[in-house]
Amino acid sequence: DTEVTQTPKHLVMGMTNKKSLKCEQHMGHRAMYWYKQKAKKPPELMFVYSYEKLSINESVPSRFSPECPNSSLLNLHLHALQPEDSALYLCASSRYRGTFGSGTRLTVV
Amino acid sequence: GENVEQHPSTLSVQEGDSAVIKCTYSDSASNYFPWYKQELGKGPQLIIDIRSNVGEKKDQRIAVTLNKTAKHFSLHITETQPEDSAVYFCAASRGWGKLQFGAGTQVVVTP
Repeated sequence: DTEVTQTPKHLVMGMTNKKSLKCEQHMGHRAMYWYKQKAKKPPELMFVYSYEKLSINESVPSRFSPECPNSSLLNLHLHALQPEDSALYLCASSRYRGTFGSGTRLTVV
Repeated sequence: GENVEQHPSTLSVQEGDSAVIKCTYSDSASNYFPWYKQELGKGPQLIIDIRSNVGEKKDQRIAVTLNKTAKHFSLHITETQPEDSAVYFCAASRGWGKLQFGAGTQVVVTP
């Protein structure tokens, strides 16, 4: 299994909603990441988990809350988002090289 | 921090011709340089990577070259095909995790 699986593929949420994005990999990678990608822009790093511990937080607003329940799963909890947070959210995992998931297309209304 | 510049922003080529995308980086400590291909509606897919102890790497129609002294690296695609049409991103990092991406190149291969 050489895939990173993200769910849901699409999500529309209101500014008062709480939702979660999920990411799963079974490649034994011990580093997992969340990236945010706006249209026609490169991915931007949000969070890095190494051995299930948060190692990098790129000054992301607290309305984004990551969680790593175990070495295969990564969640991103969303609360009180703004319309400008609409983007493609990408999960990735790595050992010597990285693999990205297909992303969750998030629209905040 | 690392800064990666990528050129050109768009590249149109005839099927069968070669395509070259160039990137420069600023952090001399960067030692890992991957290239990603992103098709519409999909996540970035690693197509080739190179580490700083190697000057060139080739995989079928794709090759990457690295000049550490000049701090630039390039992607070469030969015998382009319509399915090569996509956005290509270069990136640089110290190890894999904290990748700094270039702005991307939209490649269009016309039959």
